[in-house]
Amino acid sequence: KAGVTQTPRYLIKTRGQQVTLSCSPISGHRSVSWYQQTPGQGLQFLFEYFSETQRNKGNFPGRFSGRQFSNSRSEMNVSTLELGDSALYLCASSPSGWNTGELFFGEGSRLTVL
Amino acid sequence: AQKITQTQPGMFVQEKEAVTLDCTYDTSDPSYGLFWYKQPSSGEMIFLIYQGSYDQQNATEGRYSLNFQKARKSANLVISASQLGDSAMYFCAMGITGGGNKLTFGTGTQLKVEL
Repeated sequence: KAGVTQTPRYLIKTRGQQVTLSCSPISGHRSVSWYQQTPGQGLQFLFEYFSETQRNKGNFPGRFSGRQFSNSRSEMNVSTLELGDSALYLCASSPSGWNTGELFFGEGSRLTVL
Repeated sequence: AQKITQTQPGMFVQEKEAVTLDCTYDTSDPSYGLFWYKQPSSGEMIFLIYQGSYDQQNATEGRYSLNFQKARKSANLVISASQLGDSAMYFCAMGITGGGNKLTFGTGTQLKVEL
């Protein structure tokens, strides 16, 4: 069974640009969550999508957005990039909620903003 | 709001020894779950163990056990018989029942297993 796939794995952007990251969850999983990991702030929840609807949202500015498609694949977009957006962006999927305690994470997309 | 505190930035343990990684939490919600994840240098988060707030027994998964003390709001991870491959960053996290998959993570503990 294929795991959670995130693309691209690495990317470099400059300030002011925008970026789109993609996440393909495990087959059959309807929930996709996104997390930002930085050395200073640690792991922070961005948002969660379930059956194409945003179910939860973290405390991030509106420059951070996401969506989920009918096949459960999800994308997140960051517009007007800032230096502080440099981070590892992790995607996690699960069938619904964490009833059994397990979220399945991808390897992440490492974004560098210059 | 939920908060997870991991007070050990780094830990060393000798191979084959047991090690305890500390985690305390704070929440006013009565129903919640506690998790431990391992993050190797590759970046992927690997699920280790889960404890529900109403579970009477401490969770165990192979060499991992969770020492859950509800009154003290602690959820320490115990790794028995450490292996070199256990060297990684370890995160404690919690989620609220009905809160979807929104988890609050601690700052992590870097574990180094030595020969």
